[in-house]
Amino acid sequence: GENVEQHPSTLSVQEGDSAVIKCTYSDSASNYFPWYKQELGKRPQLIIDIRSNVGEKKDQRIAVTLNKTAKHFSLHITETQPEDSAVYFCARGGGNKLTFGTGTQLKVEL
Amino acid sequence: NAGVTQTPKFQVLKTGQSMTLQCAQDMNHEYMSWYRQDPGMGLRLIHYSVGAGITDQGEVPNGYNVSRSTTEDFPLRLLSAAPSQTSVYFCASSYSIRQPQHFGDGTRLSIL
Repeated sequence: GENVEQHPSTLSVQEGDSAVIKCTYSDSASNYFPWYKQELGKRPQLIIDIRSNVGEKKDQRIAVTLNKTAKHFSLHITETQPEDSAVYFCARGGGNKLTFGTGTQLKVEL
Repeated sequence: NAGVTQTPKFQVLKTGQSMTLQCAQDMNHEYMSWYRQDPGMGLRLIHYSVGAGITDQGEVPNGYNVSRSTTEDFPLRLLSAAPSQTSVYFCASSYSIRQPQHFGDGTRLSIL
């Protein structure tokens, strides 16, 4: 259906390393894939999004890749910094609904 | 612009009480939605609206009602509060589902 599976649930990296978070979906009607960052006690905020007619999108240290055939998409953060520590949520949009993954707690250690 | 404003920020209710969570946006967004956030479960869609006068159910609509009489406002009503409805509630708005969702600061609701 419209579910999104997100892995891993927690991720710890050293400052300067890369972080990758993966999400899978099953609904072929999905055509919009945003990623949100949520700091502790704050609202979720969009960091990057991709539409189904695009395979990859970059914005400075952040990139998202989409494999429509395999129905999965990934968030890549390079040169991680302590301020990247937060919970990251993937989501899929189709029809009029946005369905979120269960989140990844990213910790960037000094 | 204020963006998306949610009130109240915190609320404690007793089981069986009813209340309305308010959400207002000043960006002329057509699409508005309500999510609840529970630990380890991400954001789950309760109800959404694609425009004034139009609402529909999300993943977890039971126990909640919504209405959309104006473009700006999208209140969420808890009919008879239950402890399982203890959660953080976020309202969001956007031009469409395929545009960035603007979230409010959330309402932290505890049901005793």
